[in-house]
Amino acid sequence: EAQVTQNPRYLITVTGKKLTVTCSQNMNHEYMSWYRQDPGLGLRQIYYSMNVEVTDKGDVPEGYKVSRKEKRNFPLILESPSPNQTSLYFCASSRQGASGELFFGEGSRLTVL
Amino acid sequence: KNQVEQSPQSLIILEGKNCTLQCNYTVSPFSNLRWYKQDTGRGPVSLTIMTFSENTKSNGRYTATLDADTKQSSLHITASQLSDSASYICVVSAVNSGYALNFGKGTSLLVTP
Repeated sequence: EAQVTQNPRYLITVTGKKLTVTCSQNMNHEYMSWYRQDPGLGLRQIYYSMNVEVTDKGDVPEGYKVSRKEKRNFPLILESPSPNQTSLYFCASSRQGASGELFFGEGSRLTVL
Repeated sequence: KNQVEQSPQSLIILEGKNCTLQCNYTVSPFSNLRWYKQDTGRGPVSLTIMTFSENTKSNGRYTATLDADTKQSSLHITASQLSDSASYICVVSAVNSGYALNFGKGTSLLVTP
């Protein structure tokens, strides 16, 4: 089954404790991206990757890092989480870059205390 | 600045009724427009993707229209069902925009018995 898998789905952590949200897709897509979704603000792009070892900033990259060492994986790293990073995070992938249909993961709800 | 505006922000309709959601955009030059359905707490799922030359596209009870001249799109839902209760998100991409997307904030639809 074609899917985008995120882990963890739910996480409560404390300020400053480094965490990683993993994202994996099994569709051999070149394009992957991360979004955060906050009430009243909609989906906002954090980072995206056009292919292995190629990443770029989206609209709200501050406080986040990403890496793309393998085609299927695109982890989101919060080096020193802060309460304003409490949000619902989505990973997505596409066969045709940003112009193609995006396949989203189920989301990761992160709370930073 | 590229923007995507959706209206109404929220909508309540009776089961079995039809409804129309609106999306206006200023994204230029236009590449494509997509509508996504997002159930509460889940990842968005693609409903339709429309390019410049397409005026109408249907997916079951969902019909999207596009007027590239006025930069407007609508999503019409026919004979609504309780399962249509969700947020509907309009996403527009521009030609040569790199890999960035422009997201609307969504319309929250509630279908009641």
